[in-house]
Amino acid sequence: DGGITQSPKYLFRKEGQNVTLSCEQNLNHDAMYWYRQDPGQGLRLIYYSQIVNDFQKGDIAEGYSVSREKKESFPLTVTSAQKNPTAFYLCASSIRQGTNTGELFFGEGSRLTVL
Amino acid sequence: KNQVEQSPQSLIILEGKNCTLQCNYTVSPFSNLRWYKQDTGRGPVSLTIMTFSENTKSNGRYTATLDADTKQSSLHITASQLSDSASYICVVSARGASGTYKYIFGTGTRLKVLA
Repeated sequence: DGGITQSPKYLFRKEGQNVTLSCEQNLNHDAMYWYRQDPGQGLRLIYYSQIVNDFQKGDIAEGYSVSREKKESFPLTVTSAQKNPTAFYLCASSIRQGTNTGELFFGEGSRLTVL
Repeated sequence: KNQVEQSPQSLIILEGKNCTLQCNYTVSPFSNLRWYKQDTGRGPVSLTIMTFSENTKSNGRYTATLDADTKQSSLHITASQLSDSASYICVVSARGASGTYKYIFGTGTRLKVLA
């Protein structure tokens, strides 16, 4: 079945460590996104990518980095520069950025906890 | 500033009862509006999409309405079931100055259905 796979589901990190969250999709979608979800807040955009080897900062990119070397993969690295990384991270994809009815398809999320 | 506000924040109803969730938005230029269902610890799943010209759209026991003049949308759930317990997120798409689209998320309504 087509879909978006995020891993790991749960991740614990010590302060000062970088961690990478994986996101893979087999929907043949061009656009991919990373969102952060905190209690009581709407999803906030971290980074997005419209095509391979290109990505753009979202609203809260500081302390995060991404790469898009393959169409199906969009990993997110949470660096030690991110001061409050404990959150639920959601990866999403759509047919392409800019389509009027482009539905966002989400992965199951990764919960990162800083110890 | 583009904003999406949802009410109520949380709602508890008895199984079999109906309920209505509200979404007010100040997004310009408006492209479309989606309702997503998010089970605890899972990724959001799309329920309906409303474009500017659509007033009502149904998906099983879920019926969404859109009033583009007052910039309000509602999601009505009929004959609620225990499995309806989840967060319901309203997402509005806005077209940016560069021609790309941005998704603005509400904070969600947390629904609890009791037996």
